[in-house]
Amino acid sequence: DPKIIQKPKYLVAVTGSEKILICEQYLGHNAMYWYRQSAKKPLEFMFSYSYQKLMDNQTASSRFQPQSSKKNHLDLQITALKPDDSATYFCASSQVGGLSQNTLYFGAGTRLSVL
Amino acid sequence: GDSVTQKQGQVTLSEDDFLFINCTYSTTTYPTLFWYVQYPGQGPQLLLKVTTANNKGISRGFEATYDKGTTSFHLQKASVQESDSAVYFCALYTGYQNFYFGKGTSLTVIP
Repeated sequence: DPKIIQKPKYLVAVTGSEKILICEQYLGHNAMYWYRQSAKKPLEFMFSYSYQKLMDNQTASSRFQPQSSKKNHLDLQITALKPDDSATYFCASSQVGGLSQNTLYFGAGTRLSVL
Repeated sequence: GDSVTQKQGQVTLSEDDFLFINCTYSTTTYPTLFWYVQYPGQGPQLLLKVTTANNKGISRGFEATYDKGTTSFHLQKASVQESDSAVYFCALYTGYQNFYFGKGTSLTVIP
């Protein structure tokens, strides 16, 4: 069973609309991340959260907003969608501290297409 | 700053060939080094993890080693199979939830 659940698997949106990408992890981790993958940039770091607090934001645009309602949730809200936002978005998690610390585990991704 | 470089973009091999992929890194910390594998339609999966303590990792026939002197780390497999066709990423962890990924090497194994 997948331990990091991303929903939906595929998403088609129109330019200018808003979408929310869902991520839940059941690994008991306390850090969560968002990455983006496209043909132009193979694996691009976007955000990291630790204990539900923003640690790092490498996204230039404020149209991308992570939302952490629970310890094991980190959703990604994208507003005013553009065709350039088309990519696969991966959620990941890791444990801060402990024996299995500092290893990233990825979900299966949400493939977003903006028309 | 911290960084990792993976120059081999595409590698094509025949079954039973030897695989060698190399990454170089730059950091002032004691890093942890990773190899991830990504199959089509899936997220990256952890393949191997190497720390400065153990220098080497082995999993599923793959071996990862690192060389502190040349700040490089390698992924190798003695005999690749068609099922090994995938994209392989090297990654560097330098602390405070900072992970750095290479650009990936797309491996195609011809039967």
